[in-house]
Amino acid sequence: EVHLLESGGGLVQPGGSLRLSCVGSGFTFSSYAMSWVRQAPGKGLEWVAGISSSGALTFYADSVKGRFTISRDKSINTLYLQMNSLRADDTALYYCAKDWSARTMYYFDSWGQGTLVTVSS
Amino acid sequence: DIQMTQSPSSLSASVGDRVTITCRASQSISTYFNWYQQKPGKAPIILIHSVSILQSGVPSRFSGSGSGTEFTLTINGLQPEDFATYYCQQTYDLGSFGQGTKVEIK
Repeated sequence: EVHLLESGGGLVQPGGSLRLSCVGSGFTFSSYAMSWVRQAPGKGLEWVAGISSSGALTFYADSVKGRFTISRDKSINTLYLQMNSLRADDTALYYCAKDWSARTMYYFDSWGQGTLVTVSS
Repeated sequence: DIQMTQSPSSLSASVGDRVTITCRASQSISTYFNWYQQKPGKAPIILIHSVSILQSGVPSRFSGSGSGTEFTLTINGLQPEDFATYYCQQTYDLGSFGQGTKVEIK
């Protein structure tokens, strides 16, 4: 069974940084593209960033380009999201999502339970 | 960027009803189109991918159709467990979602 476990969320001041992690199990982590999707409180889903199975290709939403960096470490089955220059509108529950294929993106067939990021002074 | 517009944003329906949700893309997205269901406090789950392919384990009362820029999710015979929020997504160019449609009990 596929399992995705996010961590690293918390309270951070505007302008600060945070690194989210997502550990995958129950599947061959290095064979699938992965993404981060966020959901602000009471709002809809917003795709944030994606990475190919090899890590060679990365993609970002305009709202985070230049501030967030997605990466992965296949040796420990972990996906990361480095978030810099955080703003209040980055406040959200951040989900890690596994893609069905190696390419980025097709559809997300497994999701974690999310980690909450709150940006506030 | 491709914009996805869902309608309606919410609807009220009764158990047994047929429900239709529409999603329009700002440009043609071929068949790179998916539907997700999200219940309160839970992560989304994939219902339908590639316009009309039902994910394994999803009840056959769910169906998807459409092409180009207009797509539809239909629930034939709404069940109590179907009251949730539904999101469309395109993956033709990155992965934008629609704003969601909340299906509530009438």
